[in-house]
Amino acid sequence: GQSLEQPSEVTAVEGAIVQINCTYQTSGFYGLSWYQQHDGGAPTFLSYNALDGLEETGRFSSFLSRSDSYGYLLLQELQMKDSASYFCAVTLQGGKLIFGQGTELSVKP
Amino acid sequence: GAVVSQHPSRVICKSGTSVKIECRSLDFQATTMFWYRQFPKKSLMLMATSNEGSKATYEQGVEKDKFLINHASLTLSTLTVTSAHPEDSSFYICSASQGQGNQPQHFGDGTRLSIL
Repeated sequence: GQSLEQPSEVTAVEGAIVQINCTYQTSGFYGLSWYQQHDGGAPTFLSYNALDGLEETGRFSSFLSRSDSYGYLLLQELQMKDSASYFCAVTLQGGKLIFGQGTELSVKP
Repeated sequence: GAVVSQHPSRVICKSGTSVKIECRSLDFQATTMFWYRQFPKKSLMLMATSNEGSKATYEQGVEKDKFLINHASLTLSTLTVTSAHPEDSSFYICSASQGQGNQPQHFGDGTRLSIL
């Protein structure tokens, strides 16, 4: 079977740094993606790691260790607008995505 | 950047109605598109892979006669929910990738389907 584990919820304050972890067990792996979803909206692509290491895009960074089947999303200088659900997703052969259950991030003033 | 457009954004209709949802890649060609379903406060579940010019590939437990998928061109895939019932009410989202299939997916804005 396919499974991805991530925390169900995380709370942090404005300006802080937060890390959302994701571990996966899948048959096949081409990459790990992160998506942001606000209430009522569609997922927005944040980052993609196909190789081990850190990818940085502005305030967001994503890390992957394929040997550990582990990755994380790092959000820096948190803003209120970052309050949303964050999903990790594994890309399987053919491009289809298997999603984690999502982490609800609440940013407090 | 890659843009995926989905229409309509919201549908409310009576039980027994068939509903068609369109997914278009606006600035790139997509030989493969994907359809997902999401219930409130839940994750996205892959329903099927839409392949241009051939039959869709459905995930286990998804009724192919219930959810008809047509991918008639490199920029358009449609999902038709046939004889919809209240339990089909959900958020339906399509995605496509630019280039080869293992590239990151970009999602449409989703269709919120409510069956009365």
